[in-house]
Amino acid sequence: DGGITQSPKYLFRKEGQNVTLSCEQNLNHDAMYWYRQDPGQGLRLIYYSQIVNDFQKGDIAEGYSVSREKKESFPLTVTSAQKNPTAFYLCASSIDHVLNTEAFFGQGTRLTVV
Amino acid sequence: KQEVTQIPAALSVPEGENLVLNCSFTDSAIYNLQWFRQDPGKGLTSLLLIQSSQREQTSGRLNASLDKSSGRSTLYIAASQPGDSATYLCAVNTGANSKLTFGKGITLSVRP
Repeated sequence: DGGITQSPKYLFRKEGQNVTLSCEQNLNHDAMYWYRQDPGQGLRLIYYSQIVNDFQKGDIAEGYSVSREKKESFPLTVTSAQKNPTAFYLCASSIDHVLNTEAFFGQGTRLTVV
Repeated sequence: KQEVTQIPAALSVPEGENLVLNCSFTDSAIYNLQWFRQDPGKGLTSLLLIQSSQREQTSGRLNASLDKSSGRSTLYIAASQPGDSATYLCAVNTGANSKLTFGKGITLSVRP
């Protein structure tokens, strides 16, 4: 089955902890994205990567970090510097970032600070 | 700065009704527009993608139109069913690194 897999589905973080959300795709897509969704707000872009070993900050990158060491993987780390991390996190990919930009999403990870 | 608006925030209709969901955007210089469906607690499912050069796209009972000059798109759902109940989001791609700007969505409830 081709698609985007996010894990875990639910994640709990203690104050001061760093946590990493996994995103894996087997669609052979070059571009990958991380969005954050909060109740009553539209999705907001955290980071994006157009190609392996490259990534750029989105609108709300503070307190987050990413890596893109492999084409199929784009993990997101929520650091202790992120003051309000409780949210629903969505990973997406597209064939590329120029011509074939239709975005496909994973099933999301719900992060809760305890 | 691109802003995307979807009004109303919620809509309830009886089964079988044809309905139109609206999406408006402030900057007409878009690359494409995408409609998504989101079920509670789930990710987004892509429904339709309209390129800036296109006027409409169809998939089954769904038809999406795009009027770039007026900054509007509509998603038409024919013969609505209870299974269509979900949140529908539109997102515009301004071409700047394929960043999508999302509306807040319309939560649709189709009553049996």
